[in-house]
Amino acid sequence: DAGVTQSPTHLIKTRGQQVTLRCSPKSGHDTVSWYQQALGQGPQFIFQYYEEEERQRGNFPDRFSGHQFPNYSSELNVNALLLGDSALYLCASSLLLPGDYGYTFGSGTRLTVV
Amino acid sequence: KQEVTQIPAALSVPEGENLVLNCSFTDSAIYNLQWFRQDPGKGLTSLLLIQSSQREQTSGRLNASLDKSSGRSTLYIAASQPGDSATYLCAVVLAGGTSYGKLTFGQGTILTVHP
Repeated sequence: DAGVTQSPTHLIKTRGQQVTLRCSPKSGHDTVSWYQQALGQGPQFIFQYYEEEERQRGNFPDRFSGHQFPNYSSELNVNALLLGDSALYLCASSLLLPGDYGYTFGSGTRLTVV
Repeated sequence: KQEVTQIPAALSVPEGENLVLNCSFTDSAIYNLQWFRQDPGKGLTSLLLIQSSQREQTSGRLNASLDKSSGRSTLYIAASQPGDSATYLCAVVLAGGTSYGKLTFGQGTILTVHP
């Protein structure tokens, strides 16, 4: 049973560019959440998708947007990249009600903005 | 606003020692609490999940306890091994309202177990 798959694993972008990160949830999960983890910090919630809609959002600017597809996979888009967007981006999948199983995380995408 | 604090920030112990990692949260109306392990530059691996109605969960050498009323959880690691070296993160989900479904993380405890 495949877990959460994220692509790409590493990415280097120039300030001002746009980037798209991808996530395939664990089989059986219908909800995808995205987190940003700066070096030495705990992950920070960006947003969560369920039934192809954004259910809730953390304290991130509109430059951060997302999408969920009918097969539950998801994309995170970041426009007008800033140096401060350099971080590990983590995708987590779950059931809408996480219940006894909680959240399963992918290995992350390391984004470096130069 | 839920805030999660982990103490200590870093811990270095000799192999074989039993140790305790602490996690505290400000809003006791939680749905569940989850402990994760993170190896350098990697994703998060779930260790233990405690529902709000539970007091503890055990998996192998790991035991996690939850005291909702005091807003605290501890992760106990028995007979530590060098392979346990990693960052340990705790995260809570609030029971309702606009924050339901969102994990709020602590800063993590960096554990080093030396031979």
